[in-house]
Amino acid sequence: EAQVTQNPRYLITVTGKKLTVTCSQNMNHEYMSWYRQDPGLGLRQIYYSMNVEVTDKGDVPEGYKVSRKEKRNFPLILESPSPNQTSLYFCASRSRTGVTEAFFGQGTRLTVV
Amino acid sequence: AQKVTQAQTEISVVEKEDVTLDCVYETRDTTYYLFWYKQPPSGELVFLIRRNSFDEQNEISGRYSWNFQKSTSSFNFTITASQVVDSAVYFCALSLIYNQGGKLIFGQGTELSVKP
Repeated sequence: EAQVTQNPRYLITVTGKKLTVTCSQNMNHEYMSWYRQDPGLGLRQIYYSMNVEVTDKGDVPEGYKVSRKEKRNFPLILESPSPNQTSLYFCASRSRTGVTEAFFGQGTRLTVV
Repeated sequence: AQKVTQAQTEISVVEKEDVTLDCVYETRDTTYYLFWYKQPPSGELVFLIRRNSFDEQNEISGRYSWNFQKSTSSFNFTITASQVVDSAVYFCALSLIYNQGGKLIFGQGTELSVKP
């Protein structure tokens, strides 16, 4: 079954404590992205990757890091989380042709206190 | 710059009513894709439809239908005979194929509440 798997689903952490949200896809997609969803703002792209070792900033990259060492994995790293990073996060993958839909993970609800 | 606007923040209907969710987009590109996603209360994003800019045919899938009009830059979504299970947040999104890794530009979302 084609899927994007994110972990954890829920996370409560304290300001400044480094955390990683994992993302893995089994569709051999070249493109992967991270989005955050905030009320009234829809989903906004944080970072994206067009292939292994190729990553770039999206629209709201401040406070986040990513890596793409393997094609299937695209972890999101918050080195020093702050309360304004409390949000619902989605990982997405998409084929390089761009003509198909994006496949989304189940979402990670992060609370930073 | 590209933009998607869903002017209806919340809609409430009674079961069996028809409801239309509006979506207006902005882009200067001639090749693009439009999408609708559903986000039920459980939180995941469920893909509903994809439409490319060269295909203005309307589409019907069961109780769902979509009206794409390039002249007004709109891609509206109608649910006929709504059901309680249709209660969700619905997102319209735009994609330029080679832009930022296939990035989707989302509207703000419309929260639909269908009451029994």
